[in-house]
Amino acid sequence: KAGVTQTPRYLIKTRGQQVTLSCSPISGHRSVSWYQQTPGQGLQFLFEYFSETQRNKGNFPGRFSGRQFSNSRSEMNVSTLELGDSALYLCASRDSSNTGELFFGEGSRLTVL
Amino acid sequence: TQLLEQSPQFLSIQEGENLTVYCNSSSVFSSLQWYRQEPGEGPVLLVTVVTGGEVKKLKRLTFQFGDARKDSSLHITAAQPGDTGLYLCAGDPTGANNLFFGTGTRLTVIP
Repeated sequence: KAGVTQTPRYLIKTRGQQVTLSCSPISGHRSVSWYQQTPGQGLQFLFEYFSETQRNKGNFPGRFSGRQFSNSRSEMNVSTLELGDSALYLCASRDSSNTGELFFGEGSRLTVL
Repeated sequence: TQLLEQSPQFLSIQEGENLTVYCNSSSVFSSLQWYRQEPGEGPVLLVTVVTGGEVKKLKRLTFQFGDARKDSSLHITAAQPGDTGLYLCAGDPTGANNLFFGTGTRLTVIP
């Protein structure tokens, strides 16, 4: 079974630009969560999608948004990028039983210049 | 203020030594999880503890859930270089399927 796939793995943007990150969950997993990881703040929860609906949302500004498609693939978008948005963005999926175990992708490392 | 505080933040030890990592909170959790993250990869689940006072062993790793379900510890016996990584505890205090992660402990085991 293929794992969680995130693209792109690395990207560099400048302040004010926007970025879209993609996540393909494990086949059969309907829940996709996004996290931001930085050295100073650690892993911070962004949002979770389940069956194309945002089920939970963390404490991030509205510049951070996401969506989920009918095939459970998910995208997250960050608009008007700021230097502080530089981080590793991790996507995780889990199955419908909500056993709690998250399966993470390798992440998308975003650098904002 | 972080929901889950881990200590120590950094730990560098020699191969063969023992160590303990702590995960503390003022909140009660129905369960706590421990993940390990290696460079360039996402976190991988090591264990889930569910019952207060529960002890689980995974080879040289021993996980304990506090009686009050507010804290947990990870003890590694005879650490190996392969144990090097970022150790993260995680829990959902609200039951809303939001998994909050601890501040992390970065372990380096020197051969």
